[in-house]
Amino acid sequence: DIVMTQSPLSLPVTPGEPASISCRSSRSLLHSNGHNYVDWYLQKPGQSPQLLIYLGSNRASGVPDRFSGSGSGSDFTLKISRVETEDAGLYYCMQGLQTPHTFGGGTKVEI
Amino acid sequence: QITLKESGPALVKPTQTLTLTCTFSGFSLTTNGVNVGWFRQPPGKALEWLALIYWDDDERYSPSLVRRLTVTKDTSKNQVVLTMTDMGPLDTGTYFCAHRFFFHDGTTSYPMGYDIWGQGTPVTVSS
Repeated sequence: DIVMTQSPLSLPVTPGEPASISCRSSRSLLHSNGHNYVDWYLQKPGQSPQLLIYLGSNRASGVPDRFSGSGSGSDFTLKISRVETEDAGLYYCMQGLQTPHTFGGGTKVEI
Repeated sequence: QITLKESGPALVKPTQTLTLTCTFSGFSLTTNGVNVGWFRQPPGKALEWLALIYWDDDERYSPSLVRRLTVTKDTSKNQVVLTMTDMGPLDTGTYFCAHRFFFHDGTTSYPMGYDIWGQGTPVTVSS
């Protein structure tokens, strides 16, 4: 299985400030088609996960442009340009290159 | 509008078989590129991928659970059913289903992430 490692585990942030979450995979997630098969999800307290970013850098429908994904190969980053209070929750990266799809351990963003 | 909703027993006894149903609307599992995945989340822990069923009947399972899992689809009812045998306390958690779609640009297909999730259904394993 591909292991996904996120850091930090916890991220205290101030509204209006930027935030960054790192995700590293145990093998390259770069597909032969040139896309990185990594997604980012946010799970707000008591809710289901919601897709933020797919294929490494594509924002899902309805996701504010303050969220961006970057990276390639085995190192990826989710950035929030200016954190808002509604961004609090657990953030997960997930690899979709091969089954089993695997998640990072999560990063708790506290505002 | 795509929606998914999980249903099933909230409490099962150890060694019993769990059957969960994901009822969806807004898409068809006969459409090329559509998948439905199953996940779970133990209390206070991270998400875990369990299984995936494709529009073409292909199925994939978590290797650690493959002997206990079966996923099937009923396209006439717009449902996907997950069964997990020999339930134990460590299987306690919230179970989710989610929609995924492969976009085809004419030459290659790209997975668009699990874009729509059900609300989840809690399952407790206890005697």
